[in-house]
Amino acid sequence: KQEVTQIPAALSVPEGENLVLNCSFTDSAIYNLQWFRQDPGKGLTSLLLIQSSQREQTSGRLNASLDKSSGRSTLYIAASQPGDSATYLCAGTYGGATNKLIFGTGTLLAVQP
Amino acid sequence: EAGVTQSPTHLIKTRGQQATLRCSPISGHTSVYWYQQALGLGLQFLLWYDEGEERNRGNFPPRFSGRQFPNYSSELNVNALELEDSALYLCASSRNRGAGTEAFFGQGTRLTVV
Repeated sequence: KQEVTQIPAALSVPEGENLVLNCSFTDSAIYNLQWFRQDPGKGLTSLLLIQSSQREQTSGRLNASLDKSSGRSTLYIAASQPGDSATYLCAGTYGGATNKLIFGTGTLLAVQP
Repeated sequence: EAGVTQSPTHLIKTRGQQATLRCSPISGHTSVYWYQQALGLGLQFLLWYDEGEERNRGNFPPRFSGRQFPNYSSELNVNALELEDSALYLCASSRNRGAGTEAFFGQGTRLTVV
């Protein structure tokens, strides 16, 4: 069964700190992995997409890595800001007949000013 | 360029009624996905439409159905509403049905069943 888990479930850090969010997936036959941000009661904002042939992607203060062999992805946020406070979700796509995203349970991040 | 748009933003229905939720994908996108985000249950895949056809559905009863129109917009219908159908319903679109194509989400429709 294809499952995605995220650790930790919640994280609180002071402003300016660098932090790492973790995502693990059980099936290494992944097509891509996306990281999303969700503000309370809102939709999802796509942050980064890593294709299966790639090892990492960067956008501004965000860097995401993908290690298929170990079934892990990490999202690194540099110099965190209060505006980064949100729930971060990772999701894997396995393609084929389904092409659906399988989501992790999310990490709730609070950046304290 | 406009993103994925969903309407209505909020919807309140009585148990047993029917609800219709709408989604307009990003211009040029042919695939539309529907997800349910119920409190405490995470995001669950509901339906996938591409080029007007249903390509796959998640583990939901038949009273969850939908369709995709020639302009690629989509409608999700939920019949015989139950209290546990209360959730945030999210629509996503992607450029095509190729495996691993990036998905972009709308802001969701909050359905409350009373």
